[in-house]
Amino acid sequence: EPEVTQTPSHQVTQMGQEVILRCVPISNHLYFYWYRQILGQKVEFLVSFYNNEISEKSEIFDDQFSVERPDGSNFTLKIRSTKLEDSAMYFCASSEVGGGTQYFGPGTRLTVL
Amino acid sequence: KNEVEQSPQNLTAQEGEFITINCSYSVGISALHWLQQHPGGGIVSLFMLSSGKKKHGRLIATINIQEKHSSLHITASHPRDSAVYICAVGGSEKLVFGKGTKLTVNP
Repeated sequence: EPEVTQTPSHQVTQMGQEVILRCVPISNHLYFYWYRQILGQKVEFLVSFYNNEISEKSEIFDDQFSVERPDGSNFTLKIRSTKLEDSAMYFCASSEVGGGTQYFGPGTRLTVL
Repeated sequence: KNEVEQSPQNLTAQEGEFITINCSYSVGISALHWLQQHPGGGIVSLFMLSSGKKKHGRLIATINIQEKHSSLHITASHPRDSAVYICAVGGSEKLVFGKGTKLTVNP
């Protein structure tokens, strides 16, 4: 069964460093999403992406964040200058249609020291 | 801004019991999602529904659009059902999540 994959599973970085989290969505899906979950808190929407551009973003998704689909398969989330409060689990998801069932990747645990 | 409330926050059951988890939201939506988050953190989509009722195996999800309320039922619960169950609502692509209900099913 097709699945969303994410790499790395765990990333440790120093405050102020740039990180890139990678996702490979399901191949025939057209809509891509990033979510984050701070430990012990609820999942929060960051951004949705369709047709090579951001379609919706939350207040969390400020200038420190960017997303890109550099080729036909990868979808990346970049955090330019990480802060301690960026420590969280980051989930990528994809769906075939907008507003449809979303399939989640296993997550990347980001730890900022 | 949509507020999503789930109840209960924690639920402990004995194997075989019938489980109900509730979700209420404040603003009209186009779809409601029920998700399962395993102890390792992975999230699995269980249901997406915009009206009525859906069933998959021992899981049943219902939604009442007028009352802005949904329920997730698990029949004949089993220890492997132990997980966090999350309700999420969407008007477009963005999902707004509840805090989740932690279910523990004891053998």
